[in-house]
Amino acid sequence: GAVVSQHPSWVICKSGTSVKIECRSLDFQATTMFWYRQFPKQSLMLMATSNEGSKATYEQGVEKDKFLINHASLTLSTLTVTSAHPEDSSFYICSATKDRGQETQYFGPGTRLLVL
Amino acid sequence: GQNIDQPTEMTATEGAIVQINCTYQTSGFNGLFWYQQHAGEAPTFLSYNVLDGLEEKGRFSSFLSRSKGYSYLLLKELQMKDSASYLCAVRGFSGGYNKLIFGAGTRLAVHP
Repeated sequence: GAVVSQHPSWVICKSGTSVKIECRSLDFQATTMFWYRQFPKQSLMLMATSNEGSKATYEQGVEKDKFLINHASLTLSTLTVTSAHPEDSSFYICSATKDRGQETQYFGPGTRLLVL
Repeated sequence: GQNIDQPTEMTATEGAIVQINCTYQTSGFNGLFWYQQHAGEAPTFLSYNVLDGLEEKGRFSSFLSRSKGYSYLLLKELQMKDSASYLCAVRGFSGGYNKLIFGAGTRLAVHP
C-alpha cells in the first residue's frame, strides 16, 4: 500500500498565529513530499517540494519565510504557516512519492485551514 | 509556459459513457495522470499514461497522444458515485525533480 496521513484534518486559528500541519507516509519511506494548496473550486497549486534532509524548493510566488517546510525524516514532513491571515484560509494537501522518479504521487486527506 | 485545459463542467446520465478531454502545453513531459477528487477530499489516483495509446482499468480508460498534447479519460457504466471533479495532471522534470502541474479540473455531475 501507500498511505499518506495528515494532521490535523481541520484547524481554525486567529489571525497572526502560526499553524503546523504534519504529513506522514505510513507504510513507505517518502523520498520526496509535495505541498499543495487548493482554493474552492480551483485546482491544486504546488507550493513546494521537499526532499528528506535538504531544503525545500518553493514555487514562484510562494513565500518561504511564511510557509516553513521541514522534512526531517523519510516519513514526516511539516508545513508551518507563520503569522496566518484570513487569505491563507485554504485546503492544504500533501503528497509523497516512494522513490525519485517514481511516477505516482500519493495524496494525504488534506487539512482545511480557516483563519479568523 | 505551462498550460493544461479541460472542460469546467460536464453532466451525464447514470449508466452512460462520458469522455473528459485534456489538452496540455508544458515545458517538459514525463507522464500524464488522471485523479478523481470528491468535494472536500484529497485526490485519488485513477490512471497514468506515459506512452501513446489507451490504458484500460475496469470502468475507467485513459488515452494519450503526445504528439497532439492530448489525453482523455473515459468513464463507462456511470454510477452516481462518479459525480466528482476529475483532474488532469502532467508530470514534468524541473529543478532536479519531477512535479505535477494540474489542470483546473472537470466537475462531472451524474444524474439518474
